[in-house]
Amino acid sequence: DTEVTQTPKHLVMGMTNKKSLKCEQHMGHRAMYWYKQKAKKPPELMFVYSYEKLSINESVPSRFSPECPNSSLLNLHLHALQPEDSALYLCASSQAGATNFGANVLTFGAGSRLTVL
Amino acid sequence: GENVEQHPSTLSVQEGDSAVIKCTYSDSASNYFPWYKQELGKGPQLIIDIRSNVGEKKDQRIAVTLNKTAKHFSLHITETQPEDSAVYFCAARIKAAGNKLTFGGGTRVLVKP
Repeated sequence: DTEVTQTPKHLVMGMTNKKSLKCEQHMGHRAMYWYKQKAKKPPELMFVYSYEKLSINESVPSRFSPECPNSSLLNLHLHALQPEDSALYLCASSQAGATNFGANVLTFGAGSRLTVL
Repeated sequence: GENVEQHPSTLSVQEGDSAVIKCTYSDSASNYFPWYKQELGKGPQLIIDIRSNVGEKKDQRIAVTLNKTAKHFSLHITETQPEDSAVYFCAARIKAAGNKLTFGGGTRVLVKP
């Protein structure tokens, strides 16, 4: 299995809702990432987990809350989002952990397209 | 700040022609330069990467060249095919930004049959 699976593919939520995005990989990768991608822009790093511990938080607002229940799963909990948070949220994984941060090959999922009304 | 500039932002080529995308970076300590291809409705996928100890790397119709002195690197696609149509992102590991992988702005490539 060489894939990163993200669910749901599409999500529409109101500003008062609580929802979660899920990501799963079974490649034995030790680092998992959340990226945010706005239309016609490159991915922007949000969080990095290395060996199931949060190693990087790119000053993301607390309305985004990541969770790594085990080495194969990564969640992104969403609460009180704003319309400007509408974007494609990409999960990625890499074989190596944070010790070689930035030089690891990233395997991306297809993304969850989020619309905040 | 430390960033990666990518040009052109759009590129239209005739099938069979070559396509070249160029990126420049500012941090001379950068040592890893991947290229990702993002097709419609999909996440980015690594197509080729190069490290600072080599000047060129080739994989079938795709090649990447690196000029460390000038701090720029380029993606070359030869004999383009319609399935090469996608958005291509260069990236560089920026030491000054905590070794973060920083992406260029992207190039939308359209291969016309």
